[in-house]
Amino acid sequence: DAGVIQSPRHEVTEMGQEVTLRCKPISGHNSLFWYRQTMMRGLELLIYFNNNVPIDDSGMPEDRFSAKMPNASFSTLKIQPSEPRDSAVYFCASSLRQIDNTDTQYFGPGTRLTVL
Amino acid sequence: QKEVEQNSGPLSVPEGAIASLNCTYSDRVSQSFFWYRQYSGKSPELIMSIYSNGDKEDGRFTAQLNKASQYVSLLIRDSQPSDSATYLCAVNALWGGNTGKLIFGQGTTLQVKP
Repeated sequence: DAGVIQSPRHEVTEMGQEVTLRCKPISGHNSLFWYRQTMMRGLELLIYFNNNVPIDDSGMPEDRFSAKMPNASFSTLKIQPSEPRDSAVYFCASSLRQIDNTDTQYFGPGTRLTVL
Repeated sequence: QKEVEQNSGPLSVPEGAIASLNCTYSDRVSQSFFWYRQYSGKSPELIMSIYSNGDKEDGRFTAQLNKASQYVSLLIRDSQPSDSATYLCAVNALWGGNTGKLIFGQGTTLQVKP
């Protein structure tokens, strides 16, 4: 089975440009998570969805960040306008909700974003 | 603020030794605990999950959970250089309802020296 798929794997852009990161969760999973990882702050949860509905976006750093999940097999994270401090690795993860709270998250390969 | 804390390390052990990685968490109602391994430049990879007090063994890995002390650990027996990585402890977050959200620690870097 295919794991979580993310694209692009690497993105280099200039400050002020719009960046769109894409994620395809594992088929059948109904929860999707966007994380950002930096050396200074570690792994931070930005936003997550259950059944395509955003549940908690309190980790989104500011209005420049937005995320959508139009269907069960696709999600985007958009940064507009991008800034150098947005440079990080962005991970998407998915899981299958379990009533007994044993959900296991599986991570995609990540997108390494560099904003010049 | 609910937290998961780990010693950032690096933890250095010789090849063949037992590596002991520790994690404490602040939310008493947490029920699920996970250890992820992350190699440099790669994504976190699940290696162990544990839900009940006690020990859970999987090959060279043993996870230990003590809910009363809010403590979870990972033991790696017969450590190999290929075990050198950052190990992330994650705890499910139940405040606000059962949502499947995990809280991650900062990770412990393990170095296994030949």
